[in-house]
Amino acid sequence: AQSVTQLDSQVPVFEEAPVELRCNYSSSVSVYLFWYVQYPNQGLQLLLKYLSGSTLVESINGFEAEFNKSQTSFHLRKPSVHISDTAEYFCAVSDRAGGGNKLTFGTGTQLKVEL
Amino acid sequence: KAGVTQTPRYLIKTRGQQVTLSCSPISGHRSVSWYQQTPGQGLQFLFEYFSETQRNKGNFPGRFSGRQFSNSRSEMNVSTLELGDSALYLCASSRDNSYEQYFGPGTRLTVT
Repeated sequence: AQSVTQLDSQVPVFEEAPVELRCNYSSSVSVYLFWYVQYPNQGLQLLLKYLSGSTLVESINGFEAEFNKSQTSFHLRKPSVHISDTAEYFCAVSDRAGGGNKLTFGTGTQLKVEL
Repeated sequence: KAGVTQTPRYLIKTRGQQVTLSCSPISGHRSVSWYQQTPGQGLQFLFEYFSETQRNKGNFPGRFSGRQFSNSRSEMNVSTLELGDSALYLCASSRDNSYEQYFGPGTRLTVT
């Protein structure tokens, strides 16, 4: 069984400041890792993913995440946030060996960007 | 390419009734998964269908069921609704052999 921990339920930050949203996972097998973003009254949008290869993955809007196998972490970072980044962010894992698609999500982190 | 669509977007039902939600995946995607999102339990996996067969199942009671049609469209049904079934139900689709899931906007179900 897998689990995902997002320790911070809310993260307030000023515009143009850097931010890190933390994600730790627990799994007895190798996993794929994802970050999804949810804006109010909308579904989830895939922000970035780690499937294999380079442990540092980047999104088109400036977010990046680094897979750290020894620390079982996949923290999300952005060097300078914008008001439009205000949303809820979910970290998720998928079992590589399980077959099919079954995402286990963390409880989410509400990022609030203030002027 | 059109995204994942879900109908209806909003639904109000009475306790004890049943409800059917519909999901149309992205064209060419054969895997459809369903998730329930509530403030208390967060995002929880319900089940996944691939080529009209249930491939994965979460830990929900038998009142929750689903099916998939030959065109990959999927429906989920909840019978004997309870107040606790009030939630946002999200559908996601993915291509064969891909772990990237694309989500629809969800159906907001309110049980009174």
